[in-house]
Amino acid sequence: QVQLQESGPGLVKPSETLSLTCTVSGGSISSYYWSWIRQPAGKGLEWIGRIYTSGSTNYNPSLKSRVTMSVDTSKNQFSLKLSSVTAADTAVYYCARDLGGYSYGAECWGQGTLVTVSS
Amino acid sequence: NFMLTQPHSVSESPGKTVTISCTRSSGSIASNYVQWYQQRPGSSPTTVIYEDNQRPSGVPDRFSGSIDSSSNSASLTISGLKTEDEADYYCQSYDSSTDVVFGGGTKLTVL
Repeated sequence: QVQLQESGPGLVKPSETLSLTCTVSGGSISSYYWSWIRQPAGKGLEWIGRIYTSGSTNYNPSLKSRVTMSVDTSKNQFSLKLSSVTAADTAVYYCARDLGGYSYGAECWGQGTLVTVSS
Repeated sequence: NFMLTQPHSVSESPGKTVTISCTRSSGSIASNYVQWYQQRPGSSPTTVIYEDNQRPSGVPDRFSGSIDSSSNSASLTISGLKTEDEADYYCQSYDSSTDVVFGGGTKLTVL
């Protein structure tokens, strides 16, 4: 069964770039769409974007100017960069494997990693 | 752009049946699939319904999903409620301009 694990700094300074990696184990990263989703404390879920293993991406229009996603199939990893962060970007960040097809939903999720934006 | 609106909270007794609604603000609820996610306290979300009414393997058949075009809404129904069903539930759908959208979440309390 595929497992996803997020990793990266838990603390990022305002105006800097948040960088996270999701490592996929128990299956190949190839031929799937992979997403990032975040959740501020006590609030709901927000979709950040998705990447296909070819490198093709789609981003949330509200975050598009600050988001970059990439994939490294040799390491079975995909990554998220979010630039010019503010306190509003403090959240638990989840990576997920998409259902595929016309579902546009998540099939399985990582455990999440808390990122705090603070000086 | 569209939004998905869920009740903030619902509660019901063990053994009973509860239904959580998810209303799409614009565009047809039938135009794109709806997923439902369960998030227990302190845990990451898990998928309980995908493609409107499909259950992933391992999800009990007490969980069912449906859509109603007349009310432009989707519903998650949980029958035979158990205390372990107490969680936040999120609906999610898509359109080509907004992409993925989540509902605000519903807190289910099993009294």
